Amino acid sequence: EAGVTQSPTHLIKTRGQQVTLRCSPISGHTSVYWYQQALGLGLQFLLWYDEGEERNRGNFPPRFSGRQFPNYSSELNVNALELEDSALYLCASIRGRSSYNEQFFGPGTRLTVL
Amino acid sequence: AQSVTQLGSHVSVSEGALVLLRCNYSSSVPPYLFWYVQYPNQGLQLLLKYTTGATLVKGINGFEAEFKKSETSFHLTKPSAHMSDAAEYFCAVSDLKQAGTALIFGKGTTLSVSS
Repeated sequence: EAGVTQSPTHLIKTRGQQVTLRCSPISGHTSVYWYQQALGLGLQFLLWYDEGEERNRGNFPPRFSGRQFPNYSSELNVNALELEDSALYLCASIRGRSSYNEQFFGPGTRLTVL
Repeated sequence: AQSVTQLGSHVSVSEGALVLLRCNYSSSVPPYLFWYVQYPNQGLQLLLKYTTGATLVKGINGFEAEFKKSETSFHLTKPSAHMSDAAEYFCAVSDLKQAGTALIFGKGTTLSVSS
């Protein structure tokens, strides 16, 4: 069974630019979570998508947005990039919605904002 | 709001020594509890989880953790460290047992193992 995949693996952008990150969940998983792992801040919850809808978001500004496609893959968009957006962005997928189910993580996309 | 505290951002042990990574959570209601491991340049991998039932949970790679409600703790242990255990370890809780609840992570503990 293929795991969660993310693309690209690395990305370098400048302040003010926009970026799109992609995530493909494990086959059969309909829920996708996005997390930001910034240096010194640990993992912070960004967004949760389930069955094509945004169901919950963390404490991040609206310039962080995304969507989920009919095949359950997901995109994370970040507009007007700021230096502090430099981080590892992790996507996780889950079977069903139960919060005791294991979240399977992808390898992440490393974003550097200059 | 839920929070997770991992005592010690960095723990160093010798190969063969006991590994103890500490995790405390804040909640009036016992949450679901998880330990994840992250190897360099990789995503997170689940080591073990506690949902209900037996408070001593066994995971992969010889790790185990004990849920202690009275201490609001979920410390991770391994009797004998291997060099391959060197990684970053994250304790996480799932809040309120509601559908789709995101994980709340501690800031992580980096484990170093010396020969």
